[in-house]
Amino acid sequence: DTGVSQNPRHKITKRGQNVTFRCDPISEHNRLYWYRQTLGQGPEFLTYFQNEAQLEKSRLLSDRFSAERPKGSFSTLEIQRTEQGDSAMYLCASSLAPGLAGFSSYNEQFFGPGTRLTVL
Amino acid sequence: DAKTTQPNSMESNEEEPVHLPCNHSTISGTDYIHWYRQLPSQGPEYVIHGLTSNVNNRMASLAIAEDRKSSTLILHRATLRDAAVYYCTRVYNQGGKLIFGQGTELSVKP
Repeated sequence: DTGVSQNPRHKITKRGQNVTFRCDPISEHNRLYWYRQTLGQGPEFLTYFQNEAQLEKSRLLSDRFSAERPKGSFSTLEIQRTEQGDSAMYLCASSLAPGLAGFSSYNEQFFGPGTRLTVL
Repeated sequence: DAKTTQPNSMESNEEEPVHLPCNHSTISGTDYIHWYRQLPSQGPEYVIHGLTSNVNNRMASLAIAEDRKSSTLILHRATLRDAAVYYCTRVYNQGGKLIFGQGTELSVKP
């Protein structure tokens, strides 16, 4: 399967614990995005990378959240000292960045199946 | 980041056309409109996108208003497999992040 994969698919943790999620994008895609989705709502943007550089972070991303993409391939999202409000589906997506003459908003994003986090 | 607005839910009969509306009144001139759909327990799936002109692909058609403040996703013949939440998203030209609204839950009756 050559799509976007995410691990684990489900994570249950106790309040105060740290958790880490992994995303493996489509191999030739140089952009990687993280979104968060709560029940009944659309996904909300968290952050994105172009290659290994983290280029934008949402105000939703508190200092307890950190994301990395060390070699420009897979990415990890870590949440420290989890809170019950962190319970959500965490979605990863990848895309190609446009060429020099193209618009960023042109390229479709391919989403993974998500990691569902439950904080007890 | 201004979100798009869509009706919460719509119903359709199988094999009939469906028109899903979306308002995006604050969109800027270089931001595309993308539509995605999401089946239960899955990530969103790309459907179609456009900038100014109407667009067609194998899944759907997209009609964009002349002033770009609204658009309509058209499924020409709804099937049971089209039952999903449909999201109209504005896509920021800077970085390409998607700004989702609450989406429209489409149910299809046999």
